[in-house]
Amino acid sequence: DVKVTQSSRYLVKRTGEKVFLECVQDMDHENMFWYRQDPGLGLRLIYFSYDVKMKEKGDIPEGYSVSREKKERFSLILESASTNQTSMYLCASSFGDRGPHGLEVQETQYFGPGTRLLVL
Amino acid sequence: AQTVTQSQPEMSVQEAETVTLSCTYDTSESDYYLFWYKQPPSRQMILVIRQEAYKQQNATENRFSVNFQKAAKSFSLKISDSQLGDAAMYFCAYRGWNRDDKIIFGKGTRLHILP
Repeated sequence: DVKVTQSSRYLVKRTGEKVFLECVQDMDHENMFWYRQDPGLGLRLIYFSYDVKMKEKGDIPEGYSVSREKKERFSLILESASTNQTSMYLCASSFGDRGPHGLEVQETQYFGPGTRLLVL
Repeated sequence: AQTVTQSQPEMSVQEAETVTLSCTYDTSESDYYLFWYKQPPSRQMILVIRQEAYKQQNATENRFSVNFQKAAKSFSLKISDSQLGDAAMYFCAYRGWNRDDKIIFGKGTRLHILP
């Protein structure tokens, strides 16, 4: 079974604090993703990574940065937390290659349990 | 740009009945993937079912099946014999064929199961 874990289920921080959210996967997946989930807005992609030390901006990267020093670990960083970053944060991972036949791709994303962050 | 639309923010169904969740998408691509994800109240998102656009046959997984209408760009999820454990938020998602394509999620449909 694929396992994606996130460092905290619930987190309370103060405005201006630096916040680290950690995500670890144990399936040797190349791809890792950070989303935030807000009521009525669905999931929005913050950042993603297709390889170690590689990162790409998603749809809403402002106010966030990421780090991927090891293949299994993808960290989301809020440099200076603000109240509008109160949200549920979901990490996901997936395979990257197209598989042995060149057609079928293990592109299913496997999600972590989420971190509910409250910024006061 | 691709979009995914779930027009039903909330739905309810009686236990043991059948319910269909709708999803439409917009794309100019011919090859892509479609997914339904389920997020129960415990918040861990899991894959329910997936469909490759090049496959004519509708995907099925036990009580879950899809009605994939490629020309109409429609991808509905049918849940048969609904159970209390099916209560969750359901997200429809689209992903293009290319390596760099991102997955695009709809805004979700919250499904309530009435005992």
